[in-house]
Amino acid sequence: GQNIDQPTEMTATEGAIVQINCTYQTSGFNGLFWYQQHAGEAPTFLSYNVLDGLEEKGRFSSFLSRSKGYSYLLLKELQMKDSASYLCAVLDSNYQLIWGAGTKLIIKP
Amino acid sequence: DVKVTQSSRYLVKRTGEKVFLECVQDMDHENMFWYRQDPGLGLRLIYFSYDVKMKEKGDIPEGYSVSREKKERFSLILESASTNQTSMYLCASSPGTSDTDTQYFGPGTRLTVL
Repeated sequence: GQNIDQPTEMTATEGAIVQINCTYQTSGFNGLFWYQQHAGEAPTFLSYNVLDGLEEKGRFSSFLSRSKGYSYLLLKELQMKDSASYLCAVLDSNYQLIWGAGTKLIIKP
Repeated sequence: DVKVTQSSRYLVKRTGEKVFLECVQDMDHENMFWYRQDPGLGLRLIYFSYDVKMKEKGDIPEGYSVSREKKERFSLILESASTNQTSMYLCASSPGTSDTDTQYFGPGTRLTVL
């Protein structure tokens, strides 16, 4: 079966750095997405990785290792507005998105 | 900016009622999707469409149907609502220009079936 694993909840302090991990077992791989979803709102696109390595976009970076079936989202200089759920999704061999359950990130002052 | 709108943010229906959830996108996207989102579970695909009048079943189509009569509109229909269909329903669209299109989501409809 296809499976995406990410921690259910994480807590971090304002101004700090946090890393949210995602591991996957899917039938094929055509890329990995990270989305941010604030409570009661729609998911919004953060990043897409298809090659191994780190993609940096401002305070957010996303890393991929295809051989390990592993990705992480790194958030630097955390702000209160970063409190949200972060969703990992993998595009499988049929170009269907397989979604993780999301990681709820709580930022404390 | 891509805009995906859904007809209602909150909806309360009774068991057995027929329910229509509407989704409209204004960016001429080819692909449209309906998901449901439940606590502790990932987004689950109900139906999707790659073209007008075309529909494909997702992972959990039972109890649902869809309609895409116009490119910009994708409707989800619950023929006879049941309490286990209480959920957050999210519509998404993507351009259809590549297999790795980014999906853009609407604000969601929180449906409660009593």
